[in-house]
Amino acid sequence: GAVVSQHPSWVICKSGTSVKIECRSLDFQATTMFWYRQFPKQSLMLMATSNEGSKATYEQGVEKDKFLINHASLTLSTLTVTSAHPEDSSFYICSARVPGESTDTQYFGPGTRLTVL
Amino acid sequence: GENVEQHPSTLSVQEGDSAVIKCTYSDSASNYFPWYKQELGKRPQLIIDIRSNVGEKKDQRIAVTLNKTAKHFSLHITETQPEDSAVYFCAATDSWGKLQFGAGTQVVVTP
Repeated sequence: GAVVSQHPSWVICKSGTSVKIECRSLDFQATTMFWYRQFPKQSLMLMATSNEGSKATYEQGVEKDKFLINHASLTLSTLTVTSAHPEDSSFYICSARVPGESTDTQYFGPGTRLTVL
Repeated sequence: GENVEQHPSTLSVQEGDSAVIKCTYSDSASNYFPWYKQELGKRPQLIIDIRSNVGEKKDQRIAVTLNKTAKHFSLHITETQPEDSAVYFCAATDSWGKLQFGAGTQVVVTP
């Protein structure tokens, strides 16, 4: 089956520092990946769509200069939270579509728990 | 854009009983409706999905129904077991093909 991994699984950082989260498709090539944020006891909120070889498209209200997305290869997308603040603490989850399958089915990574002190 | 509403927010059922979660959506162009199960601190797991050309789909104890005219779809879990306890999310694709999630339903199955 389609497997998506994320690294790290959790990270603690100081306010003002930057944190990079990796999302990898392990057994397939993903031209499109998605980044979600989930606050405790809330739903998944789409932050941006990551497209291999082109700029990411961000959802309304998401600061593109704060959440930098790079999809440099068909198996890797990265999300960098720049100048992190405590309010950025959240569960960040990526997902990917499998080429050849329905264009709608998304497979999720295990998530990254970010805590900003 | 797409707006997905989900009810109830919490659902307590006794083991062996059925659980039903309902969702409505706003975008008539939506054509894909997945359901995800998420345990605490874990990734959402796709448990069943339905496309707009089908009215009902069943997979063992789980079934989903879709009413496109009324723009609502439901998840049915029969013979619930304690391991069914989790948060369940419905979702629908918007006109851009992106998933919009409902707010989630915390299901608690008591032995």
